[in-house]
Amino acid sequence: DAGVIQSPRHEVTEMGQEVTLRCKPISGHDYLFWYRQTMMRGLELLIYFNNNVPIDDSGMPEDRFSAKMPNASFSTLKIQPSEPRDSAVYFCASSLRLAGGEEQYFGPGTRLTVT
Amino acid sequence: QKEVEQDPGPLSVPEGAIVSLNCTYSNSAFQYFMWYRQYSRKGPELLMYTYSSGNKEDGRFTAQVDKSSKYISLFIRDSQPSDSATYLCAMRRSNYQLIWGAGTKLIIKP
Repeated sequence: DAGVIQSPRHEVTEMGQEVTLRCKPISGHDYLFWYRQTMMRGLELLIYFNNNVPIDDSGMPEDRFSAKMPNASFSTLKIQPSEPRDSAVYFCASSLRLAGGEEQYFGPGTRLTVT
Repeated sequence: QKEVEQDPGPLSVPEGAIVSLNCTYSNSAFQYFMWYRQYSRKGPELLMYTYSSGNKEDGRFTAQVDKSSKYISLFIRDSQPSDSATYLCAMRRSNYQLIWGAGTKLIIKP
């Protein structure tokens, strides 16, 4: 398996523009997670899905952020409108289960810069 | 107060030294304790995990959990420049999501 795939790897956009980040989880994994990582706040869980259904979106910072998982092999994280404080590295991760020492497999991340 | 506290460092040590990385936590319900390693511009990868208290060894790495003190450690023996990375602790209770530490940046000087 190719692992978790994210696109784009880098995104530079202007304030107010819409940004869409994409993720393809590992085949067969039932859980998908979206994280944001910054120097100030570390790794933050934004939302996670189980079998394509959003389970916990309490980490989504505000209504400007939305996430979807239309099928088992694809998810998007959208920011509209984007703001400079959204600049961060966004990771997608997937896992088989949400239990025990089950590993979360991370993608390479999307480095977002909002000017 | 955060549920998981971890000193962000950086921690700089000479090659060959023994490294000790630590996290403290406040939730006594945590049962599974993990260490992830993150190289620069990469996603985190699981290094090892421990269930409940005790030690676990994997090559040059040893994970230790002290539930009475709510304190976990990762020891790296004979540290190498290739060990330079950010080390994140993470923990969970039962079938819940992971709670992450801030990560400690480790630099091994040749």
